[in-house]
Amino acid sequence: SQQGEEDPQALSIQEGENATMNCSYKTSINNLQWYRQNSGRGLVHLILIRSNEREKHSGRLRVTLDTSKKSSSLLITASRAADTASYFCATDGSNFGNEKLTFGTGTRLTIIP
Amino acid sequence: EPEVTQTPSHQVTQMGQEVILRCVPISNHLYFYWYRQILGQKVEFLVSFYNNEISEKSEIFDDQFSVERPDGSNFTLKIRSTKLEDSAMYFCASNPSRAAYEQYFGPGTRLTVT
Repeated sequence: SQQGEEDPQALSIQEGENATMNCSYKTSINNLQWYRQNSGRGLVHLILIRSNEREKHSGRLRVTLDTSKKSSSLLITASRAADTASYFCATDGSNFGNEKLTFGTGTRLTIIP
Repeated sequence: EPEVTQTPSHQVTQMGQEVILRCVPISNHLYFYWYRQILGQKVEFLVSFYNNEISEKSEIFDDQFSVERPDGSNFTLKIRSTKLEDSAMYFCASNPSRAAYEQYFGPGTRLTVT
């Protein structure tokens, strides 16, 4: 089954710096998504990248996907205190949008003001 | 902006008791899901639901679990006889169509089994 593993498990940076998180998975995918989870709260969708895309941007977020290495990275530029959260990658293997998501282990990001 | 809601936010129950976790998905969404997250661990898929039927379920979703959409707006997860290891955060999610990949998650219900 697909399995996402993020690294690092935890990351602390100063406000204003860039944060990079990585995700690896084991089987072929159709899409890879990144979600944010604030402490004790639900998951919020950030960005989706399709298997035929290599890079995608959304505001301060940049996602890359390397299907040959089965890995993705999420870059948050000019970090803010409000970016403090856990970040998860999630994969699906279907051509349709209704399939389950398989989540990675997550990176706990702390932005130091 | 429409959002998925879940009640209660926190449920404490004794081992062996039945619990029902409630969710109200976004109104025009067609696909519904339950996930759970044991403290400090991954978010795990439990079950997906479409057209009043289970589409897929994981190994976790055994005979103790059931789902229902009783009235066209609520989507419930029932655990018949809770175990200590059922303690987790349970998330409901919904998706508007087969063409959409993003899932919209509720804030979760924290279930504590004592």
